[in-house]
Amino acid sequence: AQSVTQPDIHITVSEGASLELRCNYSYGATPYLFWYVQSPGQGLQLLLKYFSGDTLVQGIKGFEAEFKRSQSSFNLRKPSVHWSDAAEYFCAVEVNRDDKIIFGKGTRLHILP
Amino acid sequence: ETGVTQSPTHLIKTRGQQVTLRCSSQSGHNTVSWYQQALGQGPQFIFQYYREEENGRGNFPPRFSGLQFPNYSSELNVNALELDDSALYLCASSSQVNTEAFFGQGTRLTVV
Repeated sequence: AQSVTQPDIHITVSEGASLELRCNYSYGATPYLFWYVQSPGQGLQLLLKYFSGDTLVQGIKGFEAEFKRSQSSFNLRKPSVHWSDAAEYFCAVEVNRDDKIIFGKGTRLHILP
Repeated sequence: ETGVTQSPTHLIKTRGQQVTLRCSSQSGHNTVSWYQQALGQGPQFIFQYYREEENGRGNFPPRFSGLQFPNYSSELNVNALELDDSALYLCASSSQVNTEAFFGQGTRLTVV
């Protein structure tokens, strides 16, 4: 079945530490790929997206993600997290280039001071 | 701020009632998509409107319906509310198919 998998429901890192959030998708073709962030009670903010080209994508707030076709993965990374990065992160795909986005279940990021 | 506004921000309804949620899309955007986000879950696609016509639907029953108006604002209507309809409802607008979608802050619906 077509799906987006975020295997980590919760992740806790110390402020200043590096971060990697995992995402895998299962679709025949390469979809458009996204990472969104959601703070409590808020809507979704787009961090970055991959449509084609360079497989390392830079986003806002110092985040980056790498598309690996062979692994069907699109992991999100940040070299040094800040307390303000505590939020829910959603990996998402757009399969048919039609703005209909399929989301993973999210990873809740906790930051230790 | 994305320029996508939703109203109301919160509301409480009783099981069996009907509800209408509203979304004003960003200026120049002609496509609106609606999503339901249950607690602890990712958003799920409900349906999309493009130039006032439904343009795709997710796995939701017919009691979920929508409209898009000539100014491209949109409504989501839910009839015969059930407890499981309690969720954050998000709308997203885009300027045309195949461009970035911008999300509103959502409407938190509680069904009691």
